[in-house]
Amino acid sequence: GESVGLHLPTLSVQEGDNSIINCAYSNSASDYFIWYKQESGKGPQFIIDIRSNMDKRQGQRVTVLLNKTVKHLSLQIAATQPGDSAVYFCAEKFGNEKLTFGTGTRLTIIP
Amino acid sequence: GAVVSQHPSRVICKSGTSVKIECRSLDFQATTMFWYRQFPKQSLMLMATSNEGSKATYEQGVEKDKFLINHASLTLSTLTVTSAHPEDSSFYICSASTGRDEKLFFGSGTQLSVL
Repeated sequence: GESVGLHLPTLSVQEGDNSIINCAYSNSASDYFIWYKQESGKGPQFIIDIRSNMDKRQGQRVTVLLNKTVKHLSLQIAATQPGDSAVYFCAEKFGNEKLTFGTGTRLTIIP
Repeated sequence: GAVVSQHPSRVICKSGTSVKIECRSLDFQATTMFWYRQFPKQSLMLMATSNEGSKATYEQGVEKDKFLINHASLTLSTLTVTSAHPEDSSFYICSASTGRDEKLFFGSGTQLSVL
């Protein structure tokens, strides 16, 4: 079946550096993508989304890049802070279908 | 963003008892809410879609008689884990959409531990 996967299950970044979390998706028809942040024991928190008619979208300290050619999604976090330590999930959606989550990447910020 | 409240945040119960989890949209109406289950270090697995005023839609492999869902109003959906057993121990999370766009907003989750 279709799945959303991540290249790296864990990522450690020095505080203040930039981090990049990658996600590969297999459904080329997916037209909507979201990144969520989940801290331990809490529900996922919306970070940023992007539609398939865009290839880049920026938020506060975060940027999502979409490469439809290779079905790749990435989340860039600038100037990482200790509070950025969490598990990050990408999710994809096609039309009115349900949101499908990836396996998650644990980001650890090293002080 | 929209606020989704989930209660309780943690529950410990004996095997064989039933547990009810509430999910409320605080500042918007949600005709559809979603219930997920998450095991440690794993991703979210959709269990069912809760539809206001109608029956929930369950994902394949999810027992509808085991996980009862009631969406009686536009701001409240409940998940009842009936006759809970240790294998039902998990983190349960609800979510809802405002309907204005496709973003899903999540509750804070409920950690269920069945002894």
